[in-house]
Amino acid sequence: ELKVEQNPLFLSMQEGKNYTIYCNYSTTSDRLYWYRQDPGKSLESLFVLLSNGAVKQEGRLMASLDTKARLSTLHITAAVHDLSATYFCAVGRPTNKLIFGTGTLLAVQP
Amino acid sequence: DVKVTQSSRYLVKRTGEKVFLECVQDMDHENMFWYRQDPGLGLRLIYFSYDVKMKEKGDIPEGYSVSREKKERFSLILESASTNQTSMYLCASSPQYQAEKLFFGSGTQLSVL
Repeated sequence: ELKVEQNPLFLSMQEGKNYTIYCNYSTTSDRLYWYRQDPGKSLESLFVLLSNGAVKQEGRLMASLDTKARLSTLHITAAVHDLSATYFCAVGRPTNKLIFGTGTLLAVQP
Repeated sequence: DVKVTQSSRYLVKRTGEKVFLECVQDMDHENMFWYRQDPGLGLRLIYFSYDVKMKEKGDIPEGYSVSREKKERFSLILESASTNQTSMYLCASSPQYQAEKLFFGSGTQLSVL
């Protein structure tokens, strides 16, 4: 059974600092998705990673995928308040239905 | 602008009531999904549908049923609501050949008292 774990569950960081959110999954998959959810809002797609070694960057966020280690990271560079949100990773299954991680609530403090 | 619309943002129901959550998408997507979101548990798949009148159980279908009579509409039904079904419910849709490319609605926060 595929399980997806995110660490940490909650992250409070200061503006200007760097940090990484980790997404570990338990069985083989080569498809990993990152989503962002603002309070009271829908989930929005951030990154789609479809192969081992894939790296995607947008603004202060960079996501990578290591399928051998079954690990994806979401790196935040020089955080700003606008990045405060809940971030989810999701892993593709053979049935093409995603299984989601627990989510990481990110709070960027001035 | 593509949209997945959930009919209610907040719902309060009593234990034992029959509850309907409605979702409509305007993207002509074949696939539609219902998830529930709980703190510390992430999103869990309840049911999905890949075509009109077709449905399959997800990871946590117990206590729920679904209906898809039209392509654009997918309903989640709680036959007899219980307090442990208090949660945020998210609907999503995706194209036929990109099943994992999910577009989400804004969610319905259901409280069962």
